[in-house]
Amino acid sequence: ETGVTQTPRHLVMGMTNKKSLKCEQHLGHNAMYWYKQSAKKPLELMFVYSLEERVENNSVPSRFSPECPNSSHLFLHLHTLQPEDSALYLCASSQDGAGRAYFGAGTRLSVL
Amino acid sequence: EDQVTQSPEALRLQEGESSSLNCSYTVSGLRGLFWYRQDPGKGPEFLFTLYSAGEEKEKERLKATLTKKESFLHITAPKPEDSATYLCAVQALQTGANNLFFGTGTRLTVIP
Repeated sequence: ETGVTQTPRHLVMGMTNKKSLKCEQHLGHNAMYWYKQSAKKPLELMFVYSLEERVENNSVPSRFSPECPNSSHLFLHLHTLQPEDSALYLCASSQDGAGRAYFGAGTRLSVL
Repeated sequence: EDQVTQSPEALRLQEGESSSLNCSYTVSGLRGLFWYRQDPGKGPEFLFTLYSAGEEKEKERLKATLTKKESFLHITAPKPEDSATYLCAVQALQTGANNLFFGTGTRLTVIP
């Protein structure tokens, strides 16, 4: 399998649920990212991991919690979300922070 | 503050009707400017990187150009399969290699 794989593709959760998004990259890259994509808004960078260490956290609410157990896997743990958190969550990877990033297909999240 | 503005928001073209998409940027030192294509239900797919004013890149019917304030994505004789959202992103020298600032995109529809 190649590229960046995200699971699940679709997720519906209540405001009190806890869920996790998973991302796996098969490109041998050393940096991984979580982005949020909402309608009519630019992609928002949420978290960056470089060499498995978090290097960016752009004022993201604590109800989003990232985890990077190794250079190939990235998780986004979700708890007590709000309806405005409904969006497409994209995972990406790159080598050495290069602007040429490889994106997964995303997880479409709906918070009820 | 680093900023990326894309225009128009949406564009409808007849097959074969050439046009250009605009990406205006304000950044404190440009590390690179990137064009991506995003199809519905998929993550963005890398198209081009431009590093300095005057640089041009081509791929099939697409040609990207760069000045000190903006970039253009020229589409020559488009086909229906070119229909997608085109995203522009910049990487600034001061904010580090891991930060990509995206525009809101131009949604292109090519009518047969």
